[in-house]
Amino acid sequence: EVQLVESGGGFVQPGGSLRLSCAASGFTFSSYWMHWVRQAPGKGLVWVSRANTDGSSTAYADSVKGRFTMSRDNAKNTLYLQMDSLRVEDTAVYYCAGEGYSHGYFYGFEIWGQGTMVTVSS
Amino acid sequence: EIVLTQSPGTLSLSPGERATLSCRASQSVTSNYLAWYQQKPGQAPRLLIFAASSRATGIPDRFSGSGSGTDFTLTISRLEPEDFAMYYCQQYTNSPPNTFGQGTKLEIK
Repeated sequence: EVQLVESGGGFVQPGGSLRLSCAASGFTFSSYWMHWVRQAPGKGLVWVSRANTDGSSTAYADSVKGRFTMSRDNAKNTLYLQMDSLRVEDTAVYYCAGEGYSHGYFYGFEIWGQGTMVTVSS
Repeated sequence: EIVLTQSPGTLSLSPGERATLSCRASQSVTSNYLAWYQQKPGQAPRLLIFAASSRATGIPDRFSGSGSGTDFTLTISRLEPEDFAMYYCQQYTNSPPNTFGQGTKLEIK
């Protein structure tokens, strides 16, 4: 079964840190570009960050640049998001998503995890 | 950054009717890398359409996408009860940021 399973969410005070993980199974993880997408309670989807297939290239939304670091370990089929200097406005469900990619063509965010909740509050 | 504007914000229709959802981009979407997602309460989004008009694996043929450049449309030909949900468009070129529209809520009339 194709699956992404996030973990590591929780409650943290402003200024704190959390590390999210996303474990992949049932597909060739190393062939997919990977993304983090978040959704604040009752709001829409917001793209956060992405990594290419080997993790050599990453990109971030302006709202998290310099505070969040995305990485991946293809040997462990796992994606990470290190979140530092957390703010109240970072409160959201965080989804990892896999983007199909082949021979320079992108297929959209085909695979999604179930999400993990991050709450930043004093 | 490409801004995507979806309309209408809410669409009220009955099962069996045709739904037409719009997504307009602030600038041309490269290679028509425009996707549509469905999201139900408490669930992760599900990819419906990629590259503006290609159905994702397992998506029923009542869902279709069209458009190019800056104007895109998702059409559901005959609404089933399970189709009532939130719908988001997204541009996913490899030049970040990958932006989403604000969503259209499709509700039962």
